[in-house]
Amino acid sequence: EVLLVDSGGGLVKPGGSLRLSCAASGFNFSTAYMTWVRQAPGKGLEWVGRIKTKVDGATTDLAAPVKGRFTISRDDSKSTVYLQMNSLQTEDAAVYYCSTGHKYWGQGTRVTVSA
Amino acid sequence: DIVMTQSPDSLAVSLGARATIKCKSSQSVLDTSTNQNYLAWYRQRPGQPPQLLIHWASVRESGVPDRITGSGSGTDFTLTISSLQAEDVALYFCLQYYGLPRTFGQGTKVEIK
Repeated sequence: EVLLVDSGGGLVKPGGSLRLSCAASGFNFSTAYMTWVRQAPGKGLEWVGRIKTKVDGATTDLAAPVKGRFTISRDDSKSTVYLQMNSLQTEDAAVYYCSTGHKYWGQGTRVTVSA
Repeated sequence: DIVMTQSPDSLAVSLGARATIKCKSSQSVLDTSTNQNYLAWYRQRPGQPPQLLIHWASVRESGVPDRITGSGSGTDFTLTISSLQAEDVALYFCLQYYGLPRTFGQGTKVEIK
């Protein structure tokens, strides 16, 4: 059974940093592109970015609103993908989901940005 | 960026009646070399992550009842729930995975009338 467990959310002040993790199991993680999607309170879904497999260079693509502030990385030995978020702004407050293959989603982790 | 526009924003349908949601993309999401539309539909219940219903515009995900169907091609797509059940009350989103960044429709809220 495929399982994605998101963690690392919390309350952070504007300008602060946070690192989210997504621990995967039940599939061959090293061959999967991994994606982060967020959802602000009461709003729709917003694609944050993705990381390709190591075979494909482990390169990342990031949405314009987070480019230069967020980075995505992966540790295939731990079957975990990370979202490093720096210079957080109030508009980054959301539930963050990791996902793979458009089908499998974590349960989400909430990020609150407030002074 | 490809802009995805859903309509309506919300609809209320009687139990057993048909619900129809539209999704329009600002450019085609059809790969003409494979004749595949890079379009998915999701359902999201309160407090839950999105659940994939349809991919490739019309391919039903395993376990999704056959009263839920996806259709369309190019820039215009439709999700139809042929006989609305109580468990269908949710938010519905379309997603294009043809180009980067991936983009979602703004969502359609389905309620019981």
